[in-house]
Amino acid sequence: AQTVTQSQPEMSVQEAETVTLSCTYDTSESNYYLFWYKQPPSRQMILVIRQEAYKQQNATENRFSVNFQKAAKSFSLKISDSQLGDTAMYFCAFMWDSNYQLIWGAGTKLIIKP
Amino acid sequence: DSGVTQTPKHLITATGQRVTLRCSPRSGDLSVYWYQQSLDQGLQFLIHYYNGEERAKGNILERFSAQQFPDLHSELNLSSLELGDSALYFCASSFRISGANVLTFGAGSRLTVL
Repeated sequence: AQTVTQSQPEMSVQEAETVTLSCTYDTSESNYYLFWYKQPPSRQMILVIRQEAYKQQNATENRFSVNFQKAAKSFSLKISDSQLGDTAMYFCAFMWDSNYQLIWGAGTKLIIKP
Repeated sequence: DSGVTQTPKHLITATGQRVTLRCSPRSGDLSVYWYQQSLDQGLQFLIHYYNGEERAKGNILERFSAQQFPDLHSELNLSSLELGDSALYFCASSFRISGANVLTFGAGSRLTVL
């Protein structure tokens, strides 16, 4: 069975600092996709970044980047120059190619302090 | 605005009652997914429809049912409501980017059962 683990229930950093959120997953699939979603206090679920497992290059979206270590089954999210608006729950999610279901981690609550 | 429309945004009802949640997917998306998020928890997959047909079922209770109509909108019916059904119910629709099936979420329907 596929599982996703986020080991940090809560983190807080000062504005403008860099923060890394951890995610590990377990799968025997070879073709899969990984996602980070953000859920701010408004509760809207927003896609932050995605990574295709067949791509060696780490995905980047502006201040957000991932460190994808396929052998270690690790998919961490780095937020650079953190902003107050980054305060949210962050969920790591996994999807394998033959199935459209997302497997979710428990989430990390990130607080950016002014 | 994500393009996925959910109504109602908030709903308060009593135990034993029945409610219907409605979702309109993004224009062009054929898939609709329903998720349940209880307080401070991750998302639980309920059901997936593709172009009117049920594709996958998750942890959906027998008291719950869903359907997707020819115009692709979907409804989630919750009956014999219990206190524990109080949650945020998300609808998502999907599109493919580079092979990845990317979900776009609606703003959610918050159900409170008293």
